[in-house]
Amino acid sequence: KAGVTQTPRYLIKTRGQQVTLSCSPISGHRSVSWYQQTPGQGLQFLFEYFSETQRNKGNFPGRFSGRQFSNSRSEMNVSTLELGDSALYLCASSLAVDSGELFFGEGSRLTVL
Amino acid sequence: EDQVTQSPEALRLQEGESSSLNCSYTVSGLRGLFWYRQDPGKGPEFLFTLYSAGEEKEKERLKATLTKKESFLHITAPKPEDSATYLCASGAAGNKLTFGGGTRVLVKP
Repeated sequence: KAGVTQTPRYLIKTRGQQVTLSCSPISGHRSVSWYQQTPGQGLQFLFEYFSETQRNKGNFPGRFSGRQFSNSRSEMNVSTLELGDSALYLCASSLAVDSGELFFGEGSRLTVL
Repeated sequence: EDQVTQSPEALRLQEGESSSLNCSYTVSGLRGLFWYRQDPGKGPEFLFTLYSAGEEKEKERLKATLTKKESFLHITAPKPEDSATYLCASGAAGNKLTFGGGTRVLVKP
């Protein structure tokens, strides 16, 4: 059974640019969550999607957005990149909402110069 | 606001030297307390869910327990392959988890 796949794995952008990250959940999983991981702040929740609807949103500025497609694949977008956006962005899928048992991908490491 | 605090930040153990990791939480309406393991360069891997005070879960050399304010992850007779960062998280609504800062465990042979 394939795990959660995130692309790209690594990317470098400059300030002011935008970036789109992609996540393919485990087959049959309809809930997709996104987390940001940094050395200083640890793992922080960005948002969660289920059946193409955003169910929860974390405390991040509106520059961070996401969406989910009918096949449960998800994308997140960060516009007007800032240096502080450099982080590991992790996608996690789950069979159901409210399970807390998340299956994480290996992440997309974003470096903003 | 939900808060999860883990201690210690780092732990160095000799192989076979048992120890415990602490996770303190302040959450309104705790739906579950979760433990994850994260290896370098990887995403977190789910270990346990605890739902109510007094509950215990075990997996190989790991045992997680839960009280009303804390959770403990006991590592019994650890092996080098148990080296990882262990994360605890509280769950409130949906799959929105609040993670602690983690405990980096290094087990030396």
